[in-house]
Amino acid sequence: NAGVTQTPKFQVLKTGQSMTLQCAQDMNHNSMYWYRQDPGMGLRLIYYSASEGTTDKGEVPNGYNVSRLNKREFSLRLESAAPSQTSVYFCASRADRGLDQPQHFGDGTRLSIL
Amino acid sequence: QKEVEQNSGPLSVPEGAIASLNCTYSDRGSQSFFWYRQYSGKSPELIMSIYSNGDKEDGRFTAQLNKASQYVSLLIRDSQPSDSATYLCAVSRDNYGQNFVFGPGTRLSVLP
Repeated sequence: NAGVTQTPKFQVLKTGQSMTLQCAQDMNHNSMYWYRQDPGMGLRLIYYSASEGTTDKGEVPNGYNVSRLNKREFSLRLESAAPSQTSVYFCASRADRGLDQPQHFGDGTRLSIL
Repeated sequence: QKEVEQNSGPLSVPEGAIASLNCTYSDRGSQSFFWYRQYSGKSPELIMSIYSNGDKEDGRFTAQLNKASQYVSLLIRDSQPSDSATYLCAVSRDNYGQNFVFGPGTRLSVLP
């Protein structure tokens, strides 16, 4: 009964370091998303993937890359971390392209960049 | 102008009262609308979705949509202290709902 699983839960990086945030869902959902959440700004979409093999930019894609490895997994990579990327990152998945289908969120990754 | 706007709050209501949360959006082509609840330090969880004009009720929650006015609201009846959280309004920008935009959220505090 895992739903959407994100790893790691916490991470501290130095400026310029790289890292990959992992996300996996076991609900056989087609669509997956990466968001960042900063205080007072709600959730901002970084990238999304409508199906295996496709990815599209969201509102704030600069400084990030993504990979839809297979239907279950969608990873987010920071190639050269910057302090402005300090945030809470949420992965979400969604079943079909129905108007009322909800997104299911993981527990989040809290990332600090010094 | 931000795409999705909400009053940041905090909105304080006494226990048992009706809490009214509002959201406006700028894209007239928006197709569907969602309300999420987020407790501090937790991930968002869906409360309701709505995509037709009018009201939609689910238990103590009622979502209201007025596309002409570009306005969506959430009413919480008989508010409980456990309803204290941040409420996020989300708007889908395309027909298939792949690209979501969230508002900044309204913090609700229900006072016992």
